[in-house]
Amino acid sequence: KAGVTQTPRYLIKTRGQQVTLSCSPISGHRSVSWYQQTPGQGLQFLFEYFSETQRNKGNFPGRFSGRQFSNSRSEMNVSTLELGDSALYLCASSLGTGPLNTEAFFGQGTRLTVV
Amino acid sequence: GESVGLHLPTLSVQEGDNSIINCAYSNSASDYFIWYKQESGKGPQFIIDIRSNMDKRQGQRVTVLLNKTVKHLSLQIAATQPGDSAVYFCAESPGGYQKVTFGIGTKLQVIP
Repeated sequence: KAGVTQTPRYLIKTRGQQVTLSCSPISGHRSVSWYQQTPGQGLQFLFEYFSETQRNKGNFPGRFSGRQFSNSRSEMNVSTLELGDSALYLCASSLGTGPLNTEAFFGQGTRLTVV
Repeated sequence: GESVGLHLPTLSVQEGDNSIINCAYSNSASDYFIWYKQESGKGPQFIIDIRSNMDKRQGQRVTVLLNKTVKHLSLQIAATQPGDSAVYFCAESPGGYQKVTFGIGTKLQVIP
C-alpha cells in the first residue's frame, strides 16, 4: 500500500510569488491535514479537509488556503510569499470517519525556501 | 536576521537502557493523544496512541501513560536502540476532528 505522497519535495520561490503544494493520501483515506514545521515554531496545524470540505482550520493568515478533490488528493496554496513562509510543509492522511480520531500517516514533506 | 529556533529538550540514554520521554498537554478537552517519531529528513511517524478513557497502552517496546489529572503524557521505550535516535513529539486532539496540536518535541540521543 503506497504511503502519503507529497510533491514536489523541494521548492525555491521568490518573495511575492505564490506556490501550490500537492498531497496524495493513502488509498481509502478521506481526511487530509496540512502542517507547517519550522525551527522557530515547531509543528503547527494549518487545516484539515474531509470529503472536499475544510473541516478545521488553524491560526494562519488567509494567504494560506487549500482544497481537496473528489479523489481525496489535496493541494495547499500560499500566495504573496514571505521569507517567514520558508518551512517544511507536511501532509497527513487518515480515514477521518467516525466520531473518534484515527491514526494519521505523514508524508515526507515539501521543503519550501523563500528567497 | 538570524532565526531563533526552539530549544529542544534532549535526552541521552545508553543503548539497552529504558527511555522515558515526558510531555505536558494543555487542553483539558483533548481526548486523543499520539506519540510521533521524526527522523532527520523525514515526516513524523506514528508510534502509539491512547484515548482519554485509558491510562496505559502498550505496543512493541513502547508504553504510553496518560495522567489526565495533571495533564501529563509519557512515552517509555524499552531497551533503547541506536535506531530510536530521533525527535519525539507528543500530540493532542479534541474529539471529532483531526486538528492536532503538537508539543515542541524531545530529542532522544542513544549512546552506543
